[in-house]
Amino acid sequence: ILNVEQSPQSLHVQEGDSTNFTCSFPSSNFYALHWYRWETAKSPEALFVMTLNGDEKKKGRISATLNTKEGYSYLYIKGSQPEDSATYLCAFIDGGSTLGRLYFGRGTQLTVWP
Amino acid sequence: DGGITQSPKYLFRKEGQNVTLSCEQNLNHDAMYWYRQDPGQGLRLIYYSQIVNDFQKGDIAEGYSVSREKKESFPLTVTSAQKNPTAFYLCASSRRDKGGSDTQYFGPGTRLTVL
Repeated sequence: ILNVEQSPQSLHVQEGDSTNFTCSFPSSNFYALHWYRWETAKSPEALFVMTLNGDEKKKGRISATLNTKEGYSYLYIKGSQPEDSATYLCAFIDGGSTLGRLYFGRGTQLTVWP
Repeated sequence: DGGITQSPKYLFRKEGQNVTLSCEQNLNHDAMYWYRQDPGQGLRLIYYSQIVNDFQKGDIAEGYSVSREKKESFPLTVTSAQKNPTAFYLCASSRRDKGGSDTQYFGPGTRLTVL
């Protein structure tokens, strides 16, 4: 079982603050990294799929970067809003095992206070 | 509307009983997955199927069984051999492109409580 670590485990910020969190994964045999947002009482939804070292993806106020050589990805939220409150999951695909199989981290739970 | 449905949302069973959780998708996806979530843990893979009539064990398959007789359906049976079955169960599907990095789409989940 591959180890995917996310930090911090939880985060509380004020509306308007910018924030970021980290996903660490094995740097060997990298294939792809996924970010998902999981709001309470809803299904996890995909944010980004990242495959290339140096990739930067953006969706509105949320962006992500990828460093496959050192094995980490950052997710940034600019000007957090209460609707950004959710658990953010990252998931790693290992090129050495069955493609399509995701290894999930435990998530970062973000709470944005109005 | 295309999507993944899981039923029921909440399920209660007595210890020692087998129970089957339903997962149906109309996204025409080849691959389907079952995950389990426990408090403070990430999603852990129970079983996955990349094509009809084929499935593989994930990391925590003991005490579970699956079938994939139709592309749209991937039911999960929690057997009495599963030592700690109370958990939240999520089903997902993906397209399975050649690259294998496809996004997974998740159902709403079933919360199983064994009394």
